[in-house]
Amino acid sequence: EVQVLESGGGLVQPGGSLRLSCAVSGVTFSSYVMSWVRQPPGKGLEWVSTITGGGDSTYYTDSVKGRFTISRDNSKNTLYLQMNSLRAEDTAVYYCTTLKNLAGEDYWGQGILVTVSS
Amino acid sequence: DVVLTQSPLSLPVTLGQPASISCRSSQSLVNSDGNTYLNWFQQRPGQSPRRLIYKVSNRDSGVPDRFSAIGSGTDFTLKISRVEAEDVGVYYCMQGVHWPRTFGQGTKVEIK
Repeated sequence: EVQVLESGGGLVQPGGSLRLSCAVSGVTFSSYVMSWVRQPPGKGLEWVSTITGGGDSTYYTDSVKGRFTISRDNSKNTLYLQMNSLRAEDTAVYYCTTLKNLAGEDYWGQGILVTVSS
Repeated sequence: DVVLTQSPLSLPVTLGQPASISCRSSQSLVNSDGNTYLNWFQQRPGQSPRRLIYKVSNRDSGVPDRFSAIGSGTDFTLKISRVEAEDVGVYYCMQGVHWPRTFGQGTKVEIK
């Protein structure tokens, strides 16, 4: 059974930092391109970042460039999102996902809430 | 950035009746490899998104055959032949061709 489990969310003050983790089991993790997608409370889905299977290429939405860093540790089957200089508008549920374009199951975690507030 | 415009944004439907959601892209979604990477997701209340359709019209495993999708280039449509209670939720289109990846605003399907 495939499991995708996010952790590391919570309440942080504006300007603060947080690191999200996503532990994946039941698949060959290094074979998967992985992404973070977020959803502000009551709003739609927004793609945040993507990293290739080997970690050699990364992509970011403009609003997080220079503040967020996506990375992965294939030996630990874990995806990360380091979030610095957090703003109120970063408040959202963050999903870890394969966000696949092709055939085969597309995996999503249950989501983790990040709240940026003083 | 590619803008995906969904319509309608709210879709009240009678049980057993059909439903249709449009997704229009500001740019062609035909990739250099010849494939068109337009996906559809369903998000039921309180749940994570779930992919229903990939590459315009291919149903994911386990997706009921009452869901179908068509389209090409910049115009795409998701159809539900006969809406059931479990279909309530928000539906999103998403393009996987251009960076940044983008989603439509979402269409909320509810039962009349």
